[in-house]
Parts: sequence; structure tokens; C-alpha cells
Amino acid sequence: AQSVSQHNHHVILSEAASLELGCNYSYGGTVNLFWYVQYPGQHLQLLLKYFSGDPLVKGIKGFEAEFIKSKFSFNLRKPSVQWSDTAEYFCAVNINGNTGKLIFGQGTTLQVKP
Amino acid sequence: KAGVTQTPRYLIKTRGQQVTLSCSPISGHRSVSWYQQTPGQGLQFLFEYFSETQRNKGNFPGRFSGRQFSNSRSEMNVSTLELGDSALYLCASSPTSGQGRLKTQYFGPGTRLLVL
Repeated sequence: AQSVSQHNHHVILSEAASLELGCNYSYGGTVNLFWYVQYPGQHLQLLLKYFSGDPLVKGIKGFEAEFIKSKFSFNLRKPSVQWSDTAEYFCAVNINGNTGKLIFGQGTTLQVKP
Repeated sequence: KAGVTQTPRYLIKTRGQQVTLSCSPISGHRSVSWYQQTPGQGLQFLFEYFSETQRNKGNFPGRFSGRQFSNSRSEMNVSTLELGDSALYLCASSPTSGQGRLKTQYFGPGTRLLVL
């Protein structure tokens, strides 16, 4: 069965530190890839997405992610985090884009200390 | 455009009861998906409706069901509630291509269900 793995469950950083959250998926075919963020008390919001083309995608709030097909990875990065980035981050995969099924990773809780 | 709306936002039920949750997608979105979010299992796909037809279903028992109306609004129903059904239930809508291929899912705020 297809699955998504997020390596870090809980990350604590100081403001201005760099961030990289790992995401790997298990499926050998065409995928659409997403990162969602859930701020405390808010609903899931889309950070960025990859469908095709340039494997380096930029999202909102200075986030970016790189799709490496050979490694089945879609890692999220931000060069300098802010206290307001404290949230839970979810990587998600859609297989072939044919149906409305997203397979989510377990999520990574990011805590940024001011 | 207004976002995805879900009603009610909070619900308390007792074991054995049934519950119906409602989701109104973003205007023009024909695909509606439902997810269950719990601390232990994370976000799990329940089912997706597209043009009033269930297009895909996750690994949940038959007590979980849903439907979609002609205006794309969707409902999900859980019968014979169990304690383990306590969760945040999320609805997501998506625009689709001409062939019905999914684009990006936009999530609603969820309905938090507590089963006592």
C-alpha cells in the first residue's frame, strides 16, 4: 500500500534558524505532492504543491520544497524560521490525480522559540 | 470566494447514536473528500464524491457513509457510534480538470465529534 513518511515528529528551532522537514513516499508512478500547514486553532492550509515541471517549488511565507524523484522525496525548507511558523506540517501525496484521495504523513510539529 | 464550510463545528454524541455532518464546498468545486483526523492515526481518507458519485473509498467500516447532492454539497453519516469515532472530521473540496482529474484540495475547519 502507498504510504507517506515524515521523518521528524517534533522539531524545535530558534528564530532565524533554517528548517528542513523530510518527506518520503512509496509509489513508483506519477504523483502530485503537497505540503499543508495547520496553525494552532486553524484549519489545514496549502503551503505549496508539485504537479510537474521544475522540481523546486516555492510556496507561501518563504517556504520551498524540492521533489527528488529518484529518492521519492519532497522535503520542505525555509532558510529562516519565525515564531509565527509554529504549527503542524503535513506532507501529502495524490496518486495519478485521478481521485480525491490524499495520503498524509503523520505530521511534524514545529515549535519556534522567540 | 467563500471557503469550505462545515456544520456543525462541534458535536457530542453517545455510543450507539448516529450523526450526520455537512460540508459545503467552494463554489464551482465538484469534488468533495472527507478525512478523519485523530492524534493516534493522523489524517485518514474516508471517501470522495464527484458529481454525486462516490469515486473512492478508504479503509473504514460500512458505518461510515456519505453522499453528494446536485449542488456539490456533501454529507457524511456515521451510524452506531463508537468511542473510537471521536475525531476531527475534515472536508476538502477541489476543482477538477475536464477529465475529472483532481487539482488542489482546500480544507474546511472541520467538525469535532466527541463520542461519550
